[in-house]
Amino acid sequence: TAGITQAPTSQILAAGRSMTLRCTQDMRHNAMYWYRQDLGLGLRLIHYSNTAGTTGKGEVPDGYSVSRANTDDFPLTLASAVPSQTSVYFCASSESGEGTTDTQYFGPGTRLTVL
Amino acid sequence: GQNIDQPTEMTATEGAIVQINCTYQTSGFNGLFWYQQHAGEAPTFLSYNVLDGLEEKGRFSSFLSRSKGYSYLLLKELQMKDSASYLCAVVDSNYQLIWGAGTKLIIKP
Repeated sequence: TAGITQAPTSQILAAGRSMTLRCTQDMRHNAMYWYRQDLGLGLRLIHYSNTAGTTGKGEVPDGYSVSRANTDDFPLTLASAVPSQTSVYFCASSESGEGTTDTQYFGPGTRLTVL
Repeated sequence: GQNIDQPTEMTATEGAIVQINCTYQTSGFNGLFWYQQHAGEAPTFLSYNVLDGLEEKGRFSSFLSRSKGYSYLLLKELQMKDSASYLCAVVDSNYQLIWGAGTKLIIKP
């Protein structure tokens, strides 16, 4: 079982360009999450989805958008990238979402550099 | 505000025991997770505590004291492969995960 896959593995992006980070899980988990991880800081939640068709904002949602058209996929889009969005992005999933303490499982991450 | 504190870095010797502490101040508490993250890789689940006390899982144990807002991860019989960052995360009253910045553990032969 693949678990969670993310693409691309890494990317260098010019400021002002748009980009979509892809995330796919095969565990049939209801909830999915996008985090960014920056040196010296804890993981910060960008957006989440408790079930297909619903999304919510996390701690740092500005400049990012998500969609959840089906259970498996949860893409993250940067509409107009800025250098402060340089980070490592992790997608995660859990069996259930809101109101639960289910373990979150993480994808391998995407390392994004915005110049 | 919500805050999770962990030491930034620790060094230990192969074969020894190390304790990584985590203190938290959060709006409510619904459990505490420990994750391991090797450099350049994804965090992976180690343990979950919601009641006070010690949970043992092989070489790794995790302790929780809710009254003190304190947890620790105990690693015994350290191996070189245990060199990694260890992340503490608390589930707050809204069932959101609040993450610490992580403790980088360096194992020396």
